Formats: sequence, C-alpha cells, structure tokens
Amino acid sequence: DAGVTQSPTHLIKTRGQQVTLRCSPKSGHDTVSWYQQALGQGPQFIFQYYEEEERQRGNFPDRFSGHQFPNYSSELNVNALLLGDSALYLCASSAGTGTGNSPLHFGNGTRLTVT
Amino acid sequence: AQSVAQPEDQVNVAEGNPLTVKCTYSVSGNPYLFWYVQYPNRGLQFLLKYITGDNLVKGSYGFEAEFNKSQTSFHLKKPSALVSDSALYFCAVRVPSGSARQLTFGSGTQLTVLP
Repeated sequence: DAGVTQSPTHLIKTRGQQVTLRCSPKSGHDTVSWYQQALGQGPQFIFQYYEEEERQRGNFPDRFSGHQFPNYSSELNVNALLLGDSALYLCASSAGTGTGNSPLHFGNGTRLTVT
Repeated sequence: AQSVAQPEDQVNVAEGNPLTVKCTYSVSGNPYLFWYVQYPNRGLQFLLKYITGDNLVKGSYGFEAEFNKSQTSFHLKKPSALVSDSALYFCAVRVPSGSARQLTFGSGTQLTVLP
C-alpha cells in the first residue's frame, strides 16, 4: 500500500521563475493538503483540495496555486519565486476534508531552494 | 484564530529516563490535538491524537500524551527514552468545524536522547 509520494525530492530554482510540485495521495484518500515548512519552523498550511476544488486556504499570496486531478493527485504551483519561498513543501492526504478526527498522512516533501 | 505553542526548542534527556515534550494550545471550541514526529529529510509521522474521552491517550512507539483542558495543554510523554527517539516533534491542533479546520502546528521541539 503506497503512502503519499511527492516529486521531485529536491529542486533548485532562480528568483522570478515558476515551479510545479507534484503529489500522489495515499491509496483510498481523496483530499490533498499542502504545507510549507521553512527551516526551523513548523509546517504552515497553504491550501487543501477536495473534489478538484480548493476548499480551504491559508495565509499565502496568489502566487501559490494548485490543482487536483480526477485521480486525486495534486500539483502545487508557485509563480515569481522569491528567496523566501525556499522551504520543504509537504503534501498530506486524508479521506474527506478533514473535519473528522483522522490524522493526515504526509509525504517526505520536496526541498525547494531559490537562489 | 487557533494556535499552538511549544515552549522548548530543545529537550535533552538521558537514555532510560522519562521524557516530556510540552505543548499548549489556544482555540475556540473543543480541539482535536495531535502529535507528529519528523526525522531528518522526511515527512511527518503521526504518533497519537486526542479527540474526546480519556485524557490520557496512548500512541505509537510507547508514547503517550495527557490532555488538560483547564491548562490548555497536551504534553507528550514517554516513561523510558530511547536514543532512537531523537527527532523533531510537532504538536498540532484542529477544530472540527468552521473556517479553521486545517491543522495548525507548533514550531517544533528537537528531542535529543543521550546514550
């Protein structure tokens, strides 16, 4: 039973560029959430996708956008990269929109470095 | 808005001794509380959760946590620490309804168990 998989594992981009990160949820899960974890910090909620729509959004600018596909996989896109976007980006999946008590299942993350 | 505080950035304990990692929270309404562990360059792994009922909850790898509503705390404990418990620990809170259904994390506590 595959868990949450993310690609790529590492990525280096230049300021102003655009990046796309990918996530496949755990088998049986239909909801994907994205988190940004800066060095030495706890994960910060970016947004959540369910039924191919953004359901919740954290305090992140519109440069951060996403998509969910019919097979429940998801992409996180970041435009006009800033140095401050350097972080570990974590994808988490769950069954349903998370109003229940089930824990999130996390992938190993994508380490994005912006130079 | 909901928030989580982990007052200790670093906790050191000798192998075989009991350990405690502290967490306090602030929410409107009844919280769902979680502990996650993160090993280097990995995603977060679920340890345990409090939803309702018994204030002492038991989780993976011999960890337990005590919910204290009057003190708004959810401290993580283990009777006898192992070197392999050394990792980064995150406390998280969620409310089951409303606009803040996403998981909010603390800043993390680095636990080091000394042999």
